Amino acid sequence: EAGVAQSPRYKIIEKRQSVAFWCNPISGHATLYWYQQILGQGPKLLIQFQNNGVVDDSQLPKDRFSAERLKGVDSTLKIQPAKLEDSAVYLCASRPTPGQGSYEQYFGPGTRLTVT
Amino acid sequence: GEDVEQSLFLSVREGDSSVINCTYTDSSSTYLYWYKQEPGAGLQLLTYIFSNMDMKQDQRLTVLLNKKDKHLSLRIADTQTGDSAIYFCAADSNSGYALNFGKGTSLLVTP
Repeated sequence: EAGVAQSPRYKIIEKRQSVAFWCNPISGHATLYWYQQILGQGPKLLIQFQNNGVVDDSQLPKDRFSAERLKGVDSTLKIQPAKLEDSAVYLCASRPTPGQGSYEQYFGPGTRLTVT
Repeated sequence: GEDVEQSLFLSVREGDSSVINCTYTDSSSTYLYWYKQEPGAGLQLLTYIFSNMDMKQDQRLTVLLNKKDKHLSLRIADTQTGDSAIYFCAADSNSGYALNFGKGTSLLVTP
């Protein structure tokens, strides 16, 4: 079974530029999460999708961050404009729909963003 | 989100057992997880435990859960140098089962 795919793996941009990250979850996983992991910290949830609907975006800085999952499969996360404090690893994770017997949340390799 | 706390560092000798401890605050958490992260890599799910269990064993890994004290531990038997990594404790939230993570425990295994 293929894992969660993310691209790009690394990105370096200047502040005030925009950037987009892509995630392809495990096939059949209805729930998709984006987490931000700042160096030396644990991941923090940014947004959660169930199919193509947003379940929780309370921690997403909506003035600069946006995310979508239009067809309920792939997802993109965008930052515009980027700030220095956005430097982090952006992790995508997926899991089957709760109630389908699996509570395992699988993570992709992440995209390491450096804002200069 | 709710808090998950872990000690930051642990050093053990190869062949010894490692015990990594974690406390959490969200009493509604249904599942609690342990993830491993090696340098430059993503998060690897090691194991998880349902909140109404008090122990789960999986090969060299033993998870103990004290739900009353909201305390979770991960024991690694016969620790090897390849076990050197950062270990994250995580508790799921009531809302959509998103995970609240601790800051991670850096495990160093010395020969």
